[in-house]
Amino acid sequence: NAGVTQTPKFQVLKTGQSMTLQCAQDMNHEYMSWYRQDPGMGLRLIHYSVGAGITDQGEVPNGYNVSRSTTEDFPLRLLSAAPSQTSVYFCASSSTSSGNTIYFGEGSWLTVV
Amino acid sequence: DAKTTQPTSMDCAEGRAANLPCNHSTISGNEYVYWYRQIHSQGPQYIIHGLKNNETNEMASLIITEDRKSSTLILPHATLRDTAVYYCIVRAWGGATNKLIFGTGTLLAVQP
Repeated sequence: NAGVTQTPKFQVLKTGQSMTLQCAQDMNHEYMSWYRQDPGMGLRLIHYSVGAGITDQGEVPNGYNVSRSTTEDFPLRLLSAAPSQTSVYFCASSSTSSGNTIYFGEGSWLTVV
Repeated sequence: DAKTTQPTSMDCAEGRAANLPCNHSTISGNEYVYWYRQIHSQGPQYIIHGLKNNETNEMASLIITEDRKSSTLILPHATLRDTAVYYCIVRAWGGATNKLIFGTGTLLAVQP
Protein backbone atom coordinates (compact mmCIF):
# COMPACT_ATOMS: atom_id res chain seq x y z
CA ASN A 1 0.00 0.00 0.00
CA ALA A 2 1.86 3.07 -1.25
CA GLY A 3 -0.58 5.73 0.03
CA VAL A 4 -0.20 9.05 -1.80
CA THR A 5 2.60 9.13 -4.36
CA GLN A 6 3.91 12.31 -5.96
CA THR A 7 6.29 12.67 -8.88
CA PRO A 8 8.69 14.25 -9.55
CA LYS A 9 10.22 14.97 -6.16
CA PHE A 10 12.41 17.77 -7.54
CA GLN A 11 12.04 19.90 -10.67
CA VAL A 12 13.65 23.04 -12.06
CA LEU A 13 11.74 24.97 -14.72
CA LYS A 14 12.45 28.02 -16.77
CA THR A 15 9.97 30.88 -16.72
CA GLY A 16 7.23 30.24 -19.25
CA GLN A 17 7.64 26.49 -19.39
CA SER A 18 4.76 24.18 -18.60
CA MET A 19 4.79 20.95 -16.65
CA THR A 20 2.60 18.50 -14.79
CA LEU A 21 3.01 17.30 -11.22
CA GLN A 22 1.64 13.80 -10.86
CA CYS A 23 -0.31 12.51 -7.87
CA ALA A 24 -1.67 9.00 -7.39
CA GLN A 25 -3.34 7.28 -4.46
CA ASP A 26 -4.13 3.60 -4.06
CA MET A 27 -6.62 3.89 -1.20
CA ASN A 28 -9.74 4.43 -3.34
CA HIS A 29 -10.24 7.84 -1.74
CA GLU A 30 -12.84 10.05 -3.36
CA TYR A 31 -11.36 13.35 -2.18
CA MET A 32 -8.05 14.66 -3.52
CA SER A 33 -6.41 18.06 -3.40
CA TRP A 34 -3.26 20.04 -4.05
CA TYR A 35 -1.57 22.44 -1.64
CA ARG A 36 1.48 24.64 -1.94
CA GLN A 37 3.78 25.63 0.88
CA ASP A 38 6.07 28.63 0.67
CA PRO A 39 9.03 29.03 3.05
CA GLY A 40 7.98 29.63 6.65
CA MET A 41 4.31 29.46 5.85
CA GLY A 42 1.45 27.02 6.23
CA LEU A 43 -0.10 25.09 3.37
CA ARG A 44 -2.51 26.83 1.00
CA LEU A 45 -5.13 24.99 -1.05
CA ILE A 46 -4.76 25.26 -4.84
CA HIS A 47 -7.43 22.94 -6.28
CA TYR A 48 -9.48 20.04 -4.99
CA SER A 49 -11.71 17.25 -6.26
CA VAL A 50 -14.59 15.44 -4.59
CA GLY A 51 -14.65 12.62 -7.13
CA ALA A 52 -13.79 11.59 -10.67
CA GLY A 53 -14.85 14.26 -13.14
CA ILE A 54 -15.37 16.93 -10.45
CA THR A 55 -12.86 19.65 -9.58
CA ASP A 56 -13.02 23.06 -7.97
CA GLN A 57 -10.76 25.97 -7.07
CA GLY A 58 -9.17 26.48 -3.71
CA GLU A 59 -7.50 29.50 -2.16
CA VAL A 60 -4.73 30.10 -4.75
CA PRO A 61 -5.79 28.56 -8.10
CA ASN A 62 -4.35 31.08 -10.56
CA GLY A 63 -1.75 29.62 -12.91
CA TYR A 64 -2.74 26.01 -12.27
CA ASN A 65 -5.09 23.52 -13.89
CA VAL A 66 -6.29 20.14 -12.66
CA SER A 67 -8.34 17.24 -13.95
CA ARG A 68 -9.68 14.06 -12.35
CA SER A 69 -10.35 11.46 -15.01
CA THR A 70 -9.90 8.55 -12.58
CA THR A 71 -10.34 8.08 -8.84
CA GLU A 72 -6.64 7.30 -8.44
CA ASP A 73 -4.98 10.22 -10.24
CA PHE A 74 -5.08 13.99 -9.77
CA PRO A 75 -2.42 15.78 -11.85
CA LEU A 76 -1.57 19.46 -11.34
CA ARG A 77 -0.57 21.42 -14.43
CA LEU A 78 1.45 24.60 -14.43
CA LEU A 79 0.45 26.39 -17.61
CA SER A 80 3.27 28.95 -17.89
CA ALA A 81 5.63 28.74 -14.95
CA ALA A 82 6.53 31.91 -13.06
CA PRO A 83 9.14 32.48 -10.32
CA SER A 84 6.24 33.10 -7.90
CA GLN A 85 5.31 29.44 -8.32
CA THR A 86 8.58 28.30 -6.75
CA SER A 87 7.29 26.29 -3.83
CA VAL A 88 6.80 22.85 -2.34
CA TYR A 89 3.64 21.15 -3.58
CA PHE A 90 1.72 18.56 -1.58
CA CYS A 91 -1.00 16.28 -2.83
CA ALA A 92 -3.55 14.92 -0.35
CA SER A 93 -6.42 12.46 -0.29
CA SER A 94 -9.16 11.39 2.07
CA SER A 95 -12.38 9.47 2.28
CA THR A 96 -15.36 9.32 4.56
CA SER A 97 -14.63 5.59 4.86
CA SER A 98 -11.20 6.43 6.32
CA GLY A 99 -12.72 8.67 8.95
CA ASN A 100 -11.99 11.75 6.86
CA THR A 101 -8.36 11.61 7.90
CA ILE A 102 -6.34 13.41 5.23
CA TYR A 103 -3.21 11.70 3.96
CA PHE A 104 -0.44 13.73 2.35
CA GLY A 105 2.24 12.84 -0.16
CA GLU A 106 5.90 13.57 0.52
CA GLY A 107 5.97 16.72 -1.58
CA SER A 108 7.36 17.98 -4.89
CA TRP A 109 9.99 20.71 -4.77
CA LEU A 110 9.61 23.08 -7.71
CA THR A 111 12.01 25.89 -8.61
CA VAL A 112 11.20 28.32 -11.42
CA VAL A 113 14.16 30.34 -12.66
CA ASP B 1 -13.72 26.98 8.70
CA ALA B 2 -12.84 28.71 11.95
CA LYS B 3 -9.42 30.27 12.41
CA THR B 4 -7.00 29.11 15.06
CA THR B 5 -4.28 30.82 17.10
CA GLN B 6 -1.15 29.00 18.24
CA PRO B 7 2.14 30.12 19.78
CA THR B 8 4.92 30.48 17.25
CA SER B 9 7.34 28.20 19.05
CA MET B 10 7.82 26.09 22.16
CA ASP B 11 10.63 24.12 23.76
CA CYS B 12 10.33 20.83 25.62
CA ALA B 13 12.88 18.62 27.35
CA GLU B 14 13.24 15.10 26.00
CA GLY B 15 11.16 12.62 27.99
CA ARG B 16 8.85 15.28 29.38
CA ALA B 17 5.29 15.97 28.30
CA ALA B 18 4.81 18.56 25.58
CA ASN B 19 1.60 20.59 25.89
CA LEU B 20 0.70 22.55 22.76
CA PRO B 21 -2.19 25.04 23.13
CA CYS B 22 -4.61 26.22 20.47
CA ASN B 23 -7.33 28.87 20.58
CA HIS B 24 -10.35 28.51 18.30
CA SER B 25 -12.87 30.89 19.83
CA THR B 26 -15.07 31.08 16.70
CA ILE B 27 -15.49 27.32 16.28
CA SER B 28 -18.94 26.19 15.14
CA GLY B 29 -20.94 23.39 16.68
CA ASN B 30 -20.29 20.99 13.80
CA GLU B 31 -16.55 21.64 13.53
CA TYR B 32 -13.93 19.20 14.75
CA VAL B 33 -10.46 20.07 16.02
CA TYR B 34 -7.68 18.34 14.06
CA TRP B 35 -3.98 18.24 14.77
CA TYR B 36 -1.32 17.60 12.17
CA ARG B 37 2.44 17.87 12.34
CA GLN B 38 5.08 18.46 9.72
CA ILE B 39 8.58 17.23 10.25
CA HIS B 40 11.10 19.16 8.22
CA SER B 41 10.73 18.64 4.47
CA GLN B 42 8.03 15.98 4.84
CA GLY B 43 4.29 15.95 4.14
CA PRO B 44 1.96 16.78 7.04
CA GLN B 45 1.10 13.83 9.27
CA TYR B 46 -2.26 13.32 10.95
CA ILE B 47 -2.07 13.08 14.75
CA ILE B 48 -5.53 13.19 16.29
CA HIS B 49 -8.92 14.87 16.11
CA GLY B 50 -11.93 15.45 18.38
CA LEU B 51 -15.29 17.19 18.69
CA LYS B 52 -15.92 17.87 22.37
CA ASN B 53 -14.69 14.88 24.32
CA ASN B 54 -11.06 14.32 25.17
CA GLU B 55 -9.37 11.87 22.85
CA THR B 56 -6.30 9.68 23.11
CA ASN B 57 -4.46 7.51 20.61
CA GLU B 58 -1.02 5.95 20.35
CA MET B 59 0.56 9.26 19.41
CA ALA B 60 -1.05 11.87 21.63
CA SER B 61 -3.95 13.11 23.74
CA LEU B 62 -6.31 15.93 22.87
CA ILE B 63 -7.97 17.97 25.59
CA ILE B 64 -10.84 20.23 24.50
CA THR B 65 -12.30 22.77 26.91
CA GLU B 66 -15.97 22.53 27.79
CA ASP B 67 -16.83 25.67 25.79
CA ARG B 68 -14.75 24.26 22.89
CA LYS B 69 -12.97 27.58 22.42
CA SER B 70 -9.54 26.11 23.02
CA SER B 71 -7.70 22.80 23.09
CA THR B 72 -4.35 21.30 24.06
CA LEU B 73 -2.38 18.60 22.30
CA ILE B 74 -0.32 16.52 24.69
CA LEU B 75 2.66 14.42 23.68
CA PRO B 76 3.20 12.43 26.89
CA HIS B 77 6.90 11.62 26.51
CA ALA B 78 8.46 13.84 23.88
CA THR B 79 11.43 12.53 21.93
CA LEU B 80 13.85 14.29 19.59
CA ARG B 81 11.88 12.86 16.67
CA ASP B 82 8.84 14.87 17.80
CA THR B 83 10.58 18.10 16.80
CA ALA B 84 8.24 19.48 14.14
CA VAL B 85 5.71 22.18 13.30
CA TYR B 86 2.33 21.33 14.83
CA TYR B 87 -0.84 22.61 13.19
CA CYS B 88 -4.20 22.98 14.91
CA ILE B 89 -7.06 23.06 12.39
CA VAL B 90 -10.82 23.17 12.73
CA ARG B 91 -13.11 21.85 10.03
CA ALA B 92 -16.55 20.38 9.67
CA TRP B 93 -16.82 16.60 9.68
CA GLY B 94 -17.70 15.10 6.35
CA GLY B 95 -16.89 18.28 4.51
CA ALA B 96 -16.96 17.54 0.81
CA THR B 97 -13.42 18.76 0.32
CA ASN B 98 -9.94 18.41 1.67
CA LYS B 99 -10.11 22.04 2.69
CA LEU B 100 -7.78 22.24 5.62
CA ILE B 101 -7.02 25.86 6.47
CA PHE B 102 -3.46 25.85 7.80
CA GLY B 103 -2.07 28.62 9.96
CA THR B 104 1.64 28.97 10.68
CA GLY B 105 1.54 26.39 13.47
CA THR B 106 3.80 25.91 16.51
CA LEU B 107 7.42 24.89 16.08
CA LEU B 108 8.09 22.41 18.87
CA ALA B 109 11.78 21.96 19.60
CA VAL B 110 12.53 18.95 21.80
CA GLN B 111 15.82 19.47 23.60
CA PRO B 112 18.12 16.62 24.68
